[in-house]
Amino acid sequence: AQRVTQPEKLLSVFKGAPVELKCNYSYSGSPELFWYVQYSRQRLQLLLRHISRESIKGFTADLNKGETSFHLKKPFAQEEDSAMYYCALSGGINNDYKLSFGAGTTVTVRA
Amino acid sequence: NAGVTQTPKFRVLKTGQSMTLLCAQDMNHEYMYWYRQDPGMGLRLIHYSVGEGTTAKGEVPDGYNVSRLKKQNFLLGLESAAPSQTSVYFCASTRPGQGVSPLHFGNGTRLTVT
Repeated sequence: AQRVTQPEKLLSVFKGAPVELKCNYSYSGSPELFWYVQYSRQRLQLLLRHISRESIKGFTADLNKGETSFHLKKPFAQEEDSAMYYCALSGGINNDYKLSFGAGTTVTVRA
Repeated sequence: NAGVTQTPKFRVLKTGQSMTLLCAQDMNHEYMYWYRQDPGMGLRLIHYSVGEGTTAKGEVPDGYNVSRLKKQNFLLGLESAAPSQTSVYFCASTRPGQGVSPLHFGNGTRLTVT
């Protein structure tokens, strides 16, 4: 079974402050991890994927297999980062590319 | 290239009524999925399809049916709507192979059952 846990439902930070969204997972095989973002009343958009090791909009995420975590970080939050963030796990072809999502974290960046 | 398109955007149903949600994608994707989004629960998979003519159950399939008669379309049906099905429904699609395959999502359908 695959499971994703996002322990924080709400996160409020000031503009310019660092922000970190926690994500832990459980999966018996080799997972593919993603972060999706949903701005107000919009569709989910892919933000990051662990295999790409890229930085998007200043966000980075590192897969830690030992701690089974995939935390999302940004050193200086901006007001436009206010959104819902979902951590998601895929078992790849072995699991028909189905995504399992965490409950989501709502981020509010205050001026 | 519209990506993934869902219709309708909004709908209000009375308990016991039926309806069909349509998802269309123009990316020639093999795999398609229906999720529901509820506060505090994230997105949960209802049904999915790995190709034309195939469907499979997800995590929360009860009360829903699906059909994939054409590769580009994936229909989600509610035969007898219940208030517990009030939710936002998202369709997604992807292409298998080539390593990581992220899902592409539609804009969602907001359904209220009274």
